[in-house]
Amino acid sequence: EPEVTQTPSHQVTQMGQEVILRCVPISNHLYFYWYRQILGQKVEFLVSFYNNEISEKSEIFDDQFSVERPDGSNFTLKIRSTKLEDSAMYFCATQGGRGTEAFFGQGTRLTVV
Amino acid sequence: GQQLNQSPQSMFIQEGEDVSMNCTSSSIFNTWLWYKQDPGEGPVLLIALYKAGELTSNGRLTAQFGITRKDSFLNISASIPSDVGIYFCAGANNDMRFGAGTRLTVKP
Repeated sequence: EPEVTQTPSHQVTQMGQEVILRCVPISNHLYFYWYRQILGQKVEFLVSFYNNEISEKSEIFDDQFSVERPDGSNFTLKIRSTKLEDSAMYFCATQGGRGTEAFFGQGTRLTVV
Repeated sequence: GQQLNQSPQSMFIQEGEDVSMNCTSSSIFNTWLWYKQDPGEGPVLLIALYKAGELTSNGRLTAQFGITRKDSFLNISASIPSDVGIYFCAGANNDMRFGAGTRLTVKP
């Protein structure tokens, strides 16, 4: 069964450092998302990406965040200068078509120290 | 914004009992989805609903897409210990938005 793959599964970084989280979407999927889940809290929308550009982003997705799909395969989330409050699980999700079900990766646990 | 209100926040039930949780929104959604999340895992899709009024079952799970397109419910019948986890509703138009989740605990 096709699946969304995220790497790394866990990353520990110093405050102020840049991190890049990677996602390999399901083949032929066209819509890509990043969500964040702070421990024990709800899943929060960060950004959606379609046709090589951002479709929508939340207020969480400030100038410290960026996304790209550099090689037509990996979909990446970059946090430029991490803060302690960026510590969370980050989930990538992909959809085959607009409004259809999204499939999630297993997540990357980011710990900022 | 597209806010979803999911209730209850948590439930503690005995094995064998039925469970019901729901999601409401002030916005209309074209698709309603229900996900389950186990600890340390990503959300896994349980049921997807695409039409207002649609009632769909997946084993012991039943979900309905409200007629107004602003609500959905999920029922679990005859709960078992492995039903433990957090259940999220999600509404989708162009993007998906999640409810805050219902944390289910099943006592044997």
